[in-house]
Amino acid sequence: QQQVKQSPQSLIVQKGGISIINCAYENTAFDYFPWYQQFPGKGPALLIAIRPDVSEKKEGRFTISFNKSAKQFSLHIMDSQPGDSATYFCAASRFRNTGNQFYFGTGTSLTVIP
Amino acid sequence: GAGVSQSPSNKVTEKGKDVELRCDPISGHTALYWYRQSLGQGLEFLIYFQGNSAPDKSGLPSDRFSAERTGGSVSTLTIQRTQQEDSAVYLCASSLAGGGKHLYEQYFGPGTRLTVT
Repeated sequence: QQQVKQSPQSLIVQKGGISIINCAYENTAFDYFPWYQQFPGKGPALLIAIRPDVSEKKEGRFTISFNKSAKQFSLHIMDSQPGDSATYFCAASRFRNTGNQFYFGTGTSLTVIP
Repeated sequence: GAGVSQSPSNKVTEKGKDVELRCDPISGHTALYWYRQSLGQGLEFLIYFQGNSAPDKSGLPSDRFSAERTGGSVSTLTIQRTQQEDSAVYLCASSLAGGGKHLYEQYFGPGTRLTVT
């Protein structure tokens, strides 16, 4: 059972446009929602993350919007650049006394056309 | 400082052979994760080590898969009697669990690309 559902699978955006990737989850116990960026041949790297007590977090051109009631969160990349072309993964996690396990979406391949 | 390292970077093996994949986490990180990433797929959780606690093995796909973590640091993922469907990139990540700013942040290694022929 996929704990975190991510869409779209692929996305093509013109340079300067806005890239939007969406994720949805079911488990209301999740308390941490990171986004990872992965370039070919590399491991994923943390891009930005949000906790459920805020509805939005912005870091530079990257913004997470979080809708707790709808159990959805999304990544917005403003002024998209060719260098943003990568695969993006959303994830959700719940902290337990024994640590925390992460559940990842299936990824979105973003291509930014010059 | 040094990040998470994995070895080998690439491994080609024949069906039926055993393979060992190694992960060196960031020094001081108490949590270590193994994931599998198949072509065009997301990250599939395999196993999770946290300090001295018993590992969470709930993601291991079969009893051919096992992992250990020696001395709370280096981890080895072993796949016995490899099958073609085991072909994937195996990623290791570590994190500093237990508090602080980086409570949840996972740092990933570059992965080991396993090809079973």
